[in-house]
Amino acid sequence: DQQVKQNSPSLSVQEGRISILNCDYTNSMFDYFLWYKKYPAEGPTFLISISSIKDKNEDGRFTVFLNKSAKHLSLHIVPSQPGDSAVYFCAASPYGGATNKLIFGTGTLLAVQP
Amino acid sequence: DSGVTQTPKHLITATGQRVTLRCSPRSGDLSVYWYQQSLDQGLQFLIQYYNGEERAKGNILERFSAQQFPDLHSELNLSSLELGDSALYFCASSPNPGTGELFFGEGSRLTVL
Repeated sequence: DQQVKQNSPSLSVQEGRISILNCDYTNSMFDYFLWYKKYPAEGPTFLISISSIKDKNEDGRFTVFLNKSAKHLSLHIVPSQPGDSAVYFCAASPYGGATNKLIFGTGTLLAVQP
Repeated sequence: DSGVTQTPKHLITATGQRVTLRCSPRSGDLSVYWYQQSLDQGLQFLIQYYNGEERAKGNILERFSAQQFPDLHSELNLSSLELGDSALYFCASSPNPGTGELFFGEGSRLTVL
C-alpha cells in the first residue's frame, strides 16, 4: 500500500512556463512534507519542505502548496529552466520531519524543453 | 557534492553471493540511513543508525544487515542475494534527525545476475 503517490511518471514543459508536480498521500498522520530532486547518477537533494500548519511555502522559483483536506501537495516551478530537468520525489513524515519515518513517492521525471 | 561518499558505485554479482556496501557520512553527521530504490519504486527506507546504535528499522530483509562503526562510517551487508535485490542502494546522513532533510550519496548500483 503506497502511502505517498506520484501518479504522473513524467512531465514535459517548455522553458519559461510553469511546471506543476503533484503528490497525493493517504495517511492523515503525515504532518511534514518535502520535495527532493534527483539528477542522473546523483543522489537526491533536498529542495523544499512544508509543515502541515501551513498551506504554502515559497523559495525562489519553487513553491509548495499543501491541501490537507484533499491530502494533496504540489510543487510549482516558475519559470521552468532546462536545468530543472530531473526526477522529483515527494516525501512525507508523520513526526514533524523525523528523518527515519520519511515515506517517499515513486518520483516524477520532469523534462524542460529549451 | 553532498559530502556523503558511497562505494562501490557499481557492483555486479551472482545469486547466492554476499556483498558489502560502504558509506561515509558528511563530517559531523551522526545519523546514517540506508535506502533501497528498485525499478519504478520510490525510495524504501531500510535502516538508520545514530552514533553507532541502531535507531530505526524499515523494510529491511533478514538477509540484510548493517552496522555503524566508531568513525561513523556504515556498511550494509547483503547476503544470499536474489535477482530481486538488484537496485540502487543509497546512503544518507543528517545533522538533525528531526528536520527531514537528508544528504544522500550517489548510490551503489547492485546488479544480481
